[in-house]
Amino acid sequence: NAGVMQNPRHLVRRRGQEARLRCSPMKGHSHVYWYRQLPEEGLKFMVYLQKENIIDESGMPKERFSAEFPKEGPSILRIQQVVRGDSAAYFCASSLTDLNTEAFFGQGTRLTVV
Amino acid sequence: EDKVVQSPLSLVVHEGDTVTLNCSYEVTNFRSLLWYKQEKKAPTFLFMLTSSGIEKKSGRLSSILDKKELFSILNITATQTGDSAIYLCAGTRSSNTGKLIFGQGTTLQVKP
Repeated sequence: NAGVMQNPRHLVRRRGQEARLRCSPMKGHSHVYWYRQLPEEGLKFMVYLQKENIIDESGMPKERFSAEFPKEGPSILRIQQVVRGDSAAYFCASSLTDLNTEAFFGQGTRLTVV
Repeated sequence: EDKVVQSPLSLVVHEGDTVTLNCSYEVTNFRSLLWYKQEKKAPTFLFMLTSSGIEKKSGRLSSILDKKELFSILNITATQTGDSAIYLCAGTRSSNTGKLIFGQGTTLQVKP
């Protein structure tokens, strides 16, 4: 049973470009969470999705950021018109349910905006 | 606003020492507290605590939750260099969001 798979592991984008980060949850997991980790800071919640639904996007910036988790395929975190401040590690986690079960994390995507 | 605070922020010990990491929380409708170990990659799950006073143990690591005083501790006995990592604690709510509210982490360095 493969763990949570994220790709790419490293992504370099120029300012103004789009970044697409992918996350395939563990087999059987239908709950996906995206977190951002800035240098020297803890993990900050961004968005929580179930298949085809956004449950909680309270941690996601209102502009330029969007997330989806389609019926088929991985969850995608999309950042449009990236700026230097978007440089961070983006982690995805998945869980079996949202009730009293631990979330398992992927290896993360390190985004660098140049 | 929900808040999770860890202390100390960093710690340097020698192999064989015992360490205690602290995590205090203020989480609305608190449900559980989780501990993760983060080396250079993904945070890996250590413990999930939901009940007060019941110690969870895995090898040299143990953890306990105090829901009255709103804190948890993570103990590591007989530390090894492989224990060097960032240790993260996170709280969750009973509401349906399921999200983890993380503290800043404690960076532990174990010297030979």
